[in-house]
Amino acid sequence: NAGVMQNPRHLVRRRGQEARLRCSPMKGHSHVYWYRQLPEEGLKFMVYLQKENIIDESGMPKERFSAEFPKEGPSILRIQQVVRGDSAAYFCASSPWEGLRNEQFFGPGTRLTVL
Amino acid sequence: DAKTTQPPSMDCAEGRAANLPCNHSTISGNEYVYWYRQIHSQGPQYIIHGLKNNETNEMASLIITEDRKSSTLILPHATLRDTAVYYCIVRVESGRDDKIIFGKGTRLHILP
Repeated sequence: NAGVMQNPRHLVRRRGQEARLRCSPMKGHSHVYWYRQLPEEGLKFMVYLQKENIIDESGMPKERFSAEFPKEGPSILRIQQVVRGDSAAYFCASSPWEGLRNEQFFGPGTRLTVL
Repeated sequence: DAKTTQPPSMDCAEGRAANLPCNHSTISGNEYVYWYRQIHSQGPQYIIHGLKNNETNEMASLIITEDRKSSTLILPHATLRDTAVYYCIVRVESGRDDKIIFGKGTRLHILP
């Protein structure tokens, strides 16, 4: 059973461009979480999605950031008009269902560098 | 904000037991204690979790005090590959609020 997959692993963008980060959850998992880790800091929650629904986006910046998890295909985190402050590692995690006892399985992350 | 307090860093000699403490004095009765670790440049890895009883798995043991205000993660025979940042996390219960709130964690250095 393959783990959580993220691509690309490294992404370089110039200021003002768009960044699209993809996350394929583990097989059978219908819940996806995105986290951001700035250099030398801990992970910060961004958004929690189920298939076709955003459950909690309390950690998402109000502008330029959006996320989706369509019925078919991977979850996408989209950053429009990137700025240097968006440079970070973005981690996706998945879990099979809601609930306290289910650990989240993390992917290897996408490292975004904005020039 | 994270509901846990951990020392910023610790050292442990290779082959010895690594004991990582965590304070969570405001934990609620229905909240679990989870531990994750993050090896450099990788995604966090689940280690273990518990409610009030001590737990053990192939990676580690978790000791929770009777009043549940603190806990200790024990790596019984630390190796160099255990060098990582270890996060102690208290998980909220509601399914619609299932996000993990990471604190700063403890940076564990295993010394050869």
